[in-house]
Amino acid sequence: KAGVTQTPRYLIKTRGQQVTLSCSPISGHRSVSWYQQTPGQGLQFLFEYFSETQRNKGNFPGRFSGRQFSNSRSEMNVSTLELGDSALYLCASSFGSGGDQETQYFGPGTRLLVL
Amino acid sequence: AQSVTQLGSHVSVSEGALVLLRCNYSSSVPPYLFWYVQYPNQGLQLLLKYTTGATLVKGINGFEAEFKKSETSFHLTKPSAHMSDAAEYFCAVISKGFQKLVFGTGTRLLVSP
Repeated sequence: KAGVTQTPRYLIKTRGQQVTLSCSPISGHRSVSWYQQTPGQGLQFLFEYFSETQRNKGNFPGRFSGRQFSNSRSEMNVSTLELGDSALYLCASSFGSGGDQETQYFGPGTRLLVL
Repeated sequence: AQSVTQLGSHVSVSEGALVLLRCNYSSSVPPYLFWYVQYPNQGLQLLLKYTTGATLVKGINGFEAEFKKSETSFHLTKPSAHMSDAAEYFCAVISKGFQKLVFGTGTRLLVSP
């Protein structure tokens, strides 16, 4: 069974630009969550999508948005990039049922550098 | 609100020595607890998890953790460290029914020959 895939793996942008990151979940998983990892703030939850709807949201500004498609693939968009947005962006997928068997499986991440 | 505290940002052990990485959690409801490992330039890999049932949980690569409700702890152990165990380890907590993982700050494990 293929794992979670994220594209691109590396990205360099300049301040003010926007960026779109993509995540393909494990087959059968309907929930996709996004996390930001930085040396200063650690791992922080951005948002979670389930069946094309945003179900949970973290404390990030509106510049960070996402969406999910009918095949459960998800995209994350960051507009008006700031230097502080440089980070490793991790996507995780799960069945989304919230039960005892629920586990989030992570992709390799997209490393974004904002210059 | 839930939170996780990992004591020690760096832990150094010799190859063959016991590994002990500490994790304490705070949760107003019975939590689900996880340990993930991250190797350089990679994502997070699940080591083990506790949901309900047996409090001693065995994971991959010889790691195990014990859920102690009275101490609100979920420490990770491995009897004998291997060079390949050098990585960063994250403890995380989640509430049943929710999808937001709350992570600790991570512990970098260094293994010397």
